[in-house]
Amino acid sequence: ETGVTQTPRHLVMGMTNKKSLKCEQHLGHNAMYWYKQSAKKPLELMFVYNFKEQTENNSVPSRFSPECPNSSHLFLHLHTLQPEDSALYLCASSQDRGTGHQPQHFGDGTRLSIL
Amino acid sequence: GQNIDQPTEMTATEGAIVQINCTYQTSGFNGLFWYQQHAGEAPTFLSYNVLDGLEEKGRFSSFLSRSKGYSYLLLKELQMKDSASYLCAVRDSNYQLIWGAGTKLIIKP
Repeated sequence: ETGVTQTPRHLVMGMTNKKSLKCEQHLGHNAMYWYKQSAKKPLELMFVYNFKEQTENNSVPSRFSPECPNSSHLFLHLHTLQPEDSALYLCASSQDRGTGHQPQHFGDGTRLSIL
Repeated sequence: GQNIDQPTEMTATEGAIVQINCTYQTSGFNGLFWYQQHAGEAPTFLSYNVLDGLEEKGRFSSFLSRSKGYSYLLLKELQMKDSASYLCAVRDSNYQLIWGAGTKLIIKP
């Protein structure tokens, strides 16, 4: 139990579907992150929120749309995805944006498969 | 560009010692992290180094040399449950984490 919960754990969707990934953290952290993890590749940072404000968007295609209604919840809305978007999507949180020694705490991820 | 290099895969024997290396080239340095990730699970934090030297935590130790852009994770008295991927990440001058692709460690009886 990492204190970061992601749902669903697995998702299969067609390219024309719309779905959302959910992340909730119970650690009282102020920063939340979305990462994409593909096999044998480094974690790719997608979005960062600090105190509910988006602070980074690493050139992510518009078919991925994040939402952060409060410091404990983070969503990733998906629409018109491509086969290359199939990957493990990880949510993480940290005490603050990244100063100091505080590590990021990760959820177990959503395994996304695009048909 | 920014780059983190670590071996793709290593194999070791139960009870032995293994050292996983990580070299980095980043714009600035504000700390280095090691994470462990079992298949299908979340990466979990193992260690943090910001000053040169060795940090020891039970069976796991992590070393940093900032002048060489180099770190290693040392695992002693290996157990089967240590079979996992080990991720090296460096915090750059913008406090963004730059990640390596991970080292898959296989432990054999």
